[in-house]
Amino acid sequence: GESVGLHLPTLSVQEGDNSIINCAYSNSASDYFIWYKQESGKGPQFIIDIRSNMDKRQGQRVTVLLNKTVKHLSLQIAATQPGDSAVYFCAENIGSTGRRALTFGSGTRLQVQP
Amino acid sequence: DTAVSQTPKYLVTQMGNDKSIKCEQNLGHDTMYWYKQDSKKFLKIMFSYNNKELIINETVPNRFSPKSPDKAHLNLHINSLELGDSAVYFCASSSSAGTRSEQFFGPGTRLTVL
Repeated sequence: GESVGLHLPTLSVQEGDNSIINCAYSNSASDYFIWYKQESGKGPQFIIDIRSNMDKRQGQRVTVLLNKTVKHLSLQIAATQPGDSAVYFCAENIGSTGRRALTFGSGTRLQVQP
Repeated sequence: DTAVSQTPKYLVTQMGNDKSIKCEQNLGHDTMYWYKQDSKKFLKIMFSYNNKELIINETVPNRFSPKSPDKAHLNLHINSLELGDSAVYFCASSSSAGTRSEQFFGPGTRLTVL
């Protein structure tokens, strides 16, 4: 079946380095992608989103890149901080307005070493 | 102010019992969701309601019955609880207006069935 998945289950980086979290998706009908951050004991928190008509979108310290040719999504975090340690999920959106459900990938744990 | 709230945060109960989890959002959204997160952190959609109407009903045992008394509330009732129901349940909400469907998540309810 079609799914959203991540290449690396755990990513360990040094504080101050840049982090890159990758995600592969296979549903070519998906038109909206979101990255969520989930800290321990909390619900997923929206980080950044991107629509399928875009290749890149930047936020504060974060950038999402979308490569529709190879169905790949990545989240780049600049100058990673200890507070960035969490599990990161990519999610794709399928369905029409008002009936949108998110299909989540399996998540990547980001560990920031001081 | 809490945007999406859930009660209780923790729920420990015996097999065979019936329990409910409540969710409320004060964002003025018209769509609400229930997700289940298993021990491997995998998040999966269970139900979605739009304007109190059931929109999405994934393959979930009929022991699970969502109820939406109004657009701001979506409760989840579970009958005859089983060990496999142990998980973290997240409520989320979004607006069907426009083309973005960013979902805001509650803090989760950790259900443990003994």
